[in-house]
Amino acid sequence: GAVVSQHPSRVICKSGTSVKIECRSLDFQATTMFWYRQFPKQSLMLMATSNEGSKATYEQGVEKDKFLINHASLTLSTLTVTSAHPEDSSFYICSAREVREGEKLFFGSGTQLSVL
Amino acid sequence: SQKIEQNSEALNIQEGKTATLTCNYTNYSPAYLQWYRQDPGRGPVFLLLIRENEKEKRKERLKVTFDTTLKQSLFHITASQPADSATYLCALNRGYNKLIFGAGTRLAVHP
Repeated sequence: GAVVSQHPSRVICKSGTSVKIECRSLDFQATTMFWYRQFPKQSLMLMATSNEGSKATYEQGVEKDKFLINHASLTLSTLTVTSAHPEDSSFYICSAREVREGEKLFFGSGTQLSVL
Repeated sequence: SQKIEQNSEALNIQEGKTATLTCNYTNYSPAYLQWYRQDPGRGPVFLLLIRENEKEKRKERLKVTFDTTLKQSLFHITASQPADSATYLCALNRGYNKLIFGAGTRLAVHP
């Protein structure tokens, strides 16, 4: 199956700093990628849909100026958490569809962000 | 509002038994429903997809049913093994492109 690589797997940062998370499709091209966040024992919450070459589409309640998404190529999308605060601490996961695989999503391994 | 409900309590079963997990939804008319497995600290992994016009789907020891009248899907793992212990998520499409997840049910299979 298709492989999605996410980096870093874990990051600890100070409050007020920005953190960038990378999501790469390794063996396929992904025109669309999806960013989710997950709190412990809770559902994956869709944050935004990242479209290659155009602006991301954010879900209701997600601040686009805080969570900057860039999808500059068919294999790379980045999520930058700007001016991070402790309440932004969460598990962030990206995913993508491979056209030949239909509607299923392939997920990265996730990034655990801890803001001190 | 649209809701996806999975049993939040962990399901504990004995090795060799069949595990049955439930996914109920409201205010949705999904074209398809998917099940994923998630291990701690990892991203979900796709297991099965079932479409609205399908009643049942099987893959090895896994079976999924989809009742659009009851707005419910059941996920079965037969001959369960300790390695099946994980959290299982159901997900429904919202519109063409988006996938919305339930909170998942944690399954623990004991030797």
